[in-house]
Amino acid sequence: DQQVKQNSPSLSVQEGRISILNCDYTNSMFDYFLWYKKYPAEGPTFLISISSIKDKNEDGRFTVFLNKSAKHLSLHIVPSQPGDSAVYFCAAFFSGSARQLTFGSGTQLTVLP
Amino acid sequence: DAGITQSPRHKVTETGTPVTLRCHQTENHRYMYWYRQDPGHGLRLIHYSYGVKDTDKGEVSDGYSVSRSKTEDFLLTLESATSSQTSVYFCAIKFEGDNYGYTFGSGTRLTVV
Repeated sequence: DQQVKQNSPSLSVQEGRISILNCDYTNSMFDYFLWYKKYPAEGPTFLISISSIKDKNEDGRFTVFLNKSAKHLSLHIVPSQPGDSAVYFCAAFFSGSARQLTFGSGTQLTVLP
Repeated sequence: DAGITQSPRHKVTETGTPVTLRCHQTENHRYMYWYRQDPGHGLRLIHYSYGVKDTDKGEVSDGYSVSRSKTEDFLLTLESATSSQTSVYFCAIKFEGDNYGYTFGSGTRLTVV
């Protein structure tokens, strides 16, 4: 049973527009949520995170929103750039554990010029 | 890249042979993790370590063993490789005192024929 789900395998947006990537989770014990970006033949790189005590975290063009009641988070990229084209993974962990991350299956974002 | 290297980067092996992948870090981090990435599954945790000789199983540990005899090295062994273990393997380290600082290696692409 997947505890972290990304239901959209792919997303295409025009350069300059907003990209919205979604993630749902089922484990109520998760209290930290992260987004990673991955280019082909490279390891995932950390993008942005949010703790469960917040509902929004912003870093430049990237904003993560957390809706705990719906067990849903989203990543907004504004404006989208061609260099943002990558696979985006949502991940979560709970602070009482050894901090091992549970990942979603990923969303391939393509930003069209 | 943040002091974490994986070796080899690519390997082709035959079914039934043992294979060992190495993760090396230079920054004395306590927590280290092995993940595998497969299409449709994202990254799944195989084993993790929270100190020298302290390891535990993850979600997909069957057919794998690990060892950590030194802080800097975390070895993943496929005891008898099978075609289902064809995958990309990533090692990660976690920065202590930081809830968001997981750094991944560049990965090992393993093909079992």
